[in-house]
Amino acid sequence: EDKVVQSPLSLVVHEGDTVTLNCSYEVTNFRSLLWYKQEKKAPTFLFMLTSSGIEKKSGRLSSILDKKELFSILNITATQTGDSAVYLCAALNSGGSNYKLTFGKGTLLTVNP
Amino acid sequence: NAGVMQNPRHLVRRRGQEARLRCSPMKGHSHVYWYRQLPEEGLKFMVYLQKENIIDESGMPKERFSAEFPKEGPSILRIQQVVRGDSAAYFCASSPTGVLRETQYFGPGTRLLVL
Repeated sequence: EDKVVQSPLSLVVHEGDTVTLNCSYEVTNFRSLLWYKQEKKAPTFLFMLTSSGIEKKSGRLSSILDKKELFSILNITATQTGDSAVYLCAALNSGGSNYKLTFGKGTLLTVNP
Repeated sequence: NAGVMQNPRHLVRRRGQEARLRCSPMKGHSHVYWYRQLPEEGLKFMVYLQKENIIDESGMPKERFSAEFPKEGPSILRIQQVVRGDSAAYFCASSPTGVLRETQYFGPGTRLLVL
């Protein structure tokens, strides 16, 4: 059965701290790894990673994928209270014409002022 | 460009009633996915549809649940004879065709509460 595991499940930090969120996966027909940020509504797309070792950056957020060790990390530097959310990792597997995401349970990040 | 739209945002049903959840994909997107999020759980894939076709329904319960994506109009997720265990947030996502197909964009979800 396809599986995505995120750690830690929750994390509390102070503004300005740097955090690293972890995601490991075991997915058949793996294609890509996606990160989403979920506040109280829709998961918002952050990154899609397909190749190993290539860092993707967007402002204070960055992410990288290791396809040999089957994991990804999401880094957030100089955290702000607005970064407080659940961060979801999902593995995209494609069997034939099917594309579906297998999600982890998420990491709840709380950034205190 | 409006995002993925879902309605209703909240739905309350009594046991045995039917629930209909609607999803309008982003403009230009022809792939729709439904996911369910139970309390304290991650999002779980239910079904993947293209216009007028169900591509993958491997995550859908065999009974009481059905989905469609007609040629015209929104995608519908239908739950018949709801039970308390159906209470969850139901998210719809859409993606474009072609090389950008792998990125799924999510709607705000419908929170179903079964009394």
